[in-house]
Amino acid sequence: KQEVTQIPAALSVPEGENLVLNCSFTDSAIYNLQWFRQDPGKGLTSLLLIQSSQREQTSGRLNASLDKSSGRSTLYIAASQPGDSATYLCAIYNQGGKLIFGQGTELSVKP
Amino acid sequence: EAGVAQSPRYKIIEKRQSVAFWCNPISGHATLYWYQQILGQGPKLLIQFQNNGVVDDSQLPKDRFSAERLKGVDSTLKIQPAKLEDSAVYLCASSWGAGGPTDTQYFGPGTRLTVL
Repeated sequence: KQEVTQIPAALSVPEGENLVLNCSFTDSAIYNLQWFRQDPGKGLTSLLLIQSSQREQTSGRLNASLDKSSGRSTLYIAASQPGDSATYLCAIYNQGGKLIFGQGTELSVKP
Repeated sequence: EAGVAQSPRYKIIEKRQSVAFWCNPISGHATLYWYQQILGQGPKLLIQFQNNGVVDDSQLPKDRFSAERLKGVDSTLKIQPAKLEDSAVYLCASSWGAGGPTDTQYFGPGTRLTVL
C-alpha cells in the first residue's frame, strides 16, 4: 500500500530564507507527483507537477525535484516571503490513477 | 471561469444528527470527487463520480455516508448519523476528463464540519 510522508509537520522561518520541504513515498511505481498549497479556509492549489520520467520542475521561486528510486521529492522555496505561509501538500498519482496525499507541512514565514 | 463551489462553508452539529454538503463542479467537468481531510492529515478520497455513475467508493463508510450526482452535475454528500470522528474538512474536486493522472483536479474551498 502506497504511503506518503512529509517532514517536518511544521516549519517556521524568517523572511528571506531559502527552505526545503521533504516528501517520501513507499512505492516507486508512481505515475507522477504533485505539490499543492492549501491556505486556511481555501481549497488546494496546484503548484508543480512532476511526471515520473522527469527529475524536476521549476516555477518562479519554487523548484521541485523527484527521485523515484529513493522514493523522495523535495520542494525548494527560494527567498521566502510572509505570503508563502500556508500548508504544503505532496501527492502522488499511483498506477491506479488515484491521488495519495501526505499529511502536509505547515509553513510560517515571519516578517 | 468559476471554480468549484461548495456549501455550506462551516457546519456544527451534535453527534447522531445528520448533515448534507453540496458541491457544484466547474461547468463541463465530467468527474467529481469528494475527499475527507481530518485535521493534521492529507485529504483522503471518499468517492469518485464520472458523470452520474460511481467510479470508486471503496473508502466511503457506507453505513453512514452516502453521495449522489443524479444529473451528472451537482453532487451532495450526506452523513447520517454523524460521529465525533467525522469532524473534518470535506473537499470537493472536479476534472474535465475521466480521472487519472493526466486529468487535473480542481478543488473547492471545502466544508468544515464539527461534530460535538
